[in-house]
Amino acid sequence: NAGVTQTPKFRILKIGQSMTLQCTQDMNHNYMYWYRQDPGMGLKLIYYSVGAGITDKGEVPNGYNVSRSTTEDFPLRLELAAPSQTSVYFCASSYSGEGSLYFGPGTRLTVL
Amino acid sequence: GENVEQHPSTLSVQEGDSAVIKCTYSDSASNYFPWYKQELGKRPQLIIDIRSNVGEKKDQRIAVTLNKTAKHFSLHITETQPEDSAVYFCAASMGTYKYIFGTGTRLKVLA
Repeated sequence: NAGVTQTPKFRILKIGQSMTLQCTQDMNHNYMYWYRQDPGMGLKLIYYSVGAGITDKGEVPNGYNVSRSTTEDFPLRLELAAPSQTSVYFCASSYSGEGSLYFGPGTRLTVL
Repeated sequence: GENVEQHPSTLSVQEGDSAVIKCTYSDSASNYFPWYKQELGKRPQLIIDIRSNVGEKKDQRIAVTLNKTAKHFSLHITETQPEDSAVYFCAASMGTYKYIFGTGTRLKVLA
């Protein structure tokens, strides 16, 4: 199993550009999450999904959108990138709603 | 709002000593409390977790204790080794399917 994979690993965006961060898991987990980690800070929940077709907002959803058309994929869309979105983005999945989170390797995003 | 406070933010210990990291949560309905270790440039990985019906759990050199009345839970690492150096995050379940993380503790084990 590859576990949770994310692409790209690094990306530099200009202010106002848009992009999609890809996340795929091959563990057949229903629960998937997007977190952002600012330097020296903890993990903030952006969006999460409890199954295909179901998504909900986390702590910091503004400026982001998600979709969940399949169990495996949970892409995160940034529209009109802003410097405040400079961060490391982690996708995670879980077998149950209260169990271990399996994190992807992260995407380091810089908005200039 | 819902939050998890974590202390200290940095902790330096001599190799072989013990380290204790403490977290406080706000939601009395929280019933799952995991701890994650994140090495520099790597992804967070679960090291131990505890559920609300258990007061203490051990796994070799690490242990977690939970006081539901006080809404406190703590990570204890004994006989620390250089490879224990990392950032440690506590988390608490908030409602259904969500986890709120603490701000992290940078542990340095000095040889």
